[in-house]
Amino acid sequence: GAGVSQSPSNKVTEKGKDVELRCDPISGHTALYWYRQSLGQGLEFLIYFQGNSAPDKSGLPSDRFSAERTGGSVSTLTIQRTQQEDSAVYLCASSLGTGGYNQPQHFGDGTRLSIL
Amino acid sequence: AQKVTQAQTEISVVEKEDVTLDCVYETRDTTYYLFWYKQPPSGELVFLIRRNSFDEQNEISGRYSWNFQKSTSSFNFTITASQVVDSAVYFCALRDTGRRALTFGSGTRLQVQP
Repeated sequence: GAGVSQSPSNKVTEKGKDVELRCDPISGHTALYWYRQSLGQGLEFLIYFQGNSAPDKSGLPSDRFSAERTGGSVSTLTIQRTQQEDSAVYLCASSLGTGGYNQPQHFGDGTRLSIL
Repeated sequence: AQKVTQAQTEISVVEKEDVTLDCVYETRDTTYYLFWYKQPPSGELVFLIRRNSFDEQNEISGRYSWNFQKSTSSFNFTITASQVVDSAVYFCALRDTGRRALTFGSGTRLQVQP
């Protein structure tokens, strides 16, 4: 079946612009995660959605970052007033929500964001 | 707090050599899960294995094997008879009951030379 799908694959934008990144999880996966991978910081957790529960936003680096998940499926990560330090690869992952903490997360190919 | 340490930043081997990637973790939980992911040059993170804290049996899958030792908080990954296609960055990750997100190590870049 289809894996996690992210779009766009690459995004180049000017500093100060807003960007939206999209993630379409694996069908049937109720848990969805956003991570950021950058050279200096490695892989960092940003936000987690599980079903209709309130999201875990504990990893968001600033209030310029927000995310939503509509209908328990597709998610959009929005970065407002982008800064050069936002340049990174943004990875989305999904997993089965049931079965406890041992469910592996399956990752998309990521969106490479470059801020000029 | 959770922490994962992969002390080896980069390893270079010649094809057919065996190689072990080290992973040391920290957690206060007694229930936790450990994972290994592979990130080839194409960029996607590929799930390789998970292990829960109650199961210390080592696992072998083809040329891959994993050695989990709670006494030393380590979950090492060995590739036997390495191949060029094994060249990638390998990440060790931890999830405990504190949160659902994964805590990743900094990764080990493995280069297998022909």
